[in-house]
Amino acid sequence: EPEVTQTPSHQVTQMGQEVILRCVPISNHLYFYWYRQILGQKVEFLVSFYNNEISEKSEIFDDQFSVERPDGSNFTLKIRSTKLEDSAMYFCASNRGTVSRSGNTIYFGEGSWLTVV
Amino acid sequence: SQQGEEDPQALSIQEGENATMNCSYKTSINNLQWYRQNSGRGLVHLILIRSNEREKHSGRLRVTLDTSKKSSSLLITASRAADTASYFCATDAETDSWGKLQFGAGTQVVVTP
Repeated sequence: EPEVTQTPSHQVTQMGQEVILRCVPISNHLYFYWYRQILGQKVEFLVSFYNNEISEKSEIFDDQFSVERPDGSNFTLKIRSTKLEDSAMYFCASNRGTVSRSGNTIYFGEGSWLTVV
Repeated sequence: SQQGEEDPQALSIQEGENATMNCSYKTSINNLQWYRQNSGRGLVHLILIRSNEREKHSGRLRVTLDTSKKSSSLLITASRAADTASYFCATDAETDSWGKLQFGAGTQVVVTP
């Protein structure tokens, strides 16, 4: 079964450093997302991406964050200058976007644990 | 507004028993999706129920949806130790953009052999 793959699975970085999290969405999917889950908290939406541009972003997704689809397969999340509070599990997700919205399954990857020290 | 609040927060059962968890939400939805998360791992999609559906089955899973009460339930029958995980409901609200799911806090299920 096709799946969303993410790298790295775990990254430790120093405060102020830049981090890039990588994702390969399911190949025929058109919509891509980043979510995050701070330890012990809910999964939160960060950003959606369609047709090579951001469709929507949450309040969390400030100027420190950016997303890119540099080629036909990868989808990246960059955090420019990490803060302690950016420590979280970051999930990439995708969906086909070609069926009716009510039947639209969102598939998530295994996540990337980011620890900022 | 908060969507997808699960109840109970935690559930401990023995193998072979059924586990039921509930999810409530506040606004009109296109669908509601249930996910499982093993400790520190990814979100595994279990089942999607559309707003015009009332019940759906997948293997040992049964999901109901009551849009008049804005609630859903997930039943796992004949539970196994491998079902130990956190279970989340996530709503695709009509007023939100496509794929912007709102998650609840989850129900932590422990199944003991």
